[in-house]
Amino acid sequence: DGGITQSPKYLFRKEGQNVTLSCEQNLNHDAMYWYRQDPGQGLRLIYYSQIVNDFQKGDIAEGYSVSREKKESFPLTVTSAQKNPTAFYLCASSLQGESQPQHFGDGTRLSIL
Amino acid sequence: GESVGLHLPTLSVQEGDNSIINCAYSNSASDYFIWYKQESGKGPQFIIDIRSNMDKRQGQRVTVLLNKTVKHLSLQIAATQPGDSAVYFCAVAAGSARQLTFGSGTQLTVLP
Repeated sequence: DGGITQSPKYLFRKEGQNVTLSCEQNLNHDAMYWYRQDPGQGLRLIYYSQIVNDFQKGDIAEGYSVSREKKESFPLTVTSAQKNPTAFYLCASSLQGESQPQHFGDGTRLSIL
Repeated sequence: GESVGLHLPTLSVQEGDNSIINCAYSNSASDYFIWYKQESGKGPQFIIDIRSNMDKRQGQRVTVLLNKTVKHLSLQIAATQPGDSAVYFCAVAAGSARQLTFGSGTQLTVLP
């Protein structure tokens, strides 16, 4: 089945540690996105990429980094500079063009040890 | 920038009744609107979308209404079932910008 796979489902980070969240899609979508969700809140955009080897900052990019070396993959690194990393992280993808819905993976929950 | 708000953070309905979830947006240039359903511990699931050249669109048991004059959209769920219990988000985009702005969500609880 086509879809978006995020791994791991749960992740724990120690102080001063970088961690990388995986996102893979087999939908042949050009655009991919990373969002952060905090309890009781909507989704906030961290980074997005519309094409391989290109990405742009979203509203809350500080403390995060991404790469887009392959169309299918858009990993997110939460760096030690992100002082409040505990959240639910969601990856999405969509076709290019206006008025295209984003489709989401089932998220990674990151917690601090 | 865009801001998106939902009128009620929680909504309880009896099984079999119709549900209406509301959303307001601020940017009059917004032209694409999506409703998502999110179950606990999962990612948002696409329900239905509507473009600004329409004011109503129907899916299976769901209808989205768009009122551009007052910048308001609603999601109607007919004959609400226990499986409809979830958080519902509206998301809004404007023009060529492919970024979505999300509301904070309405928790729908279906009572037996």
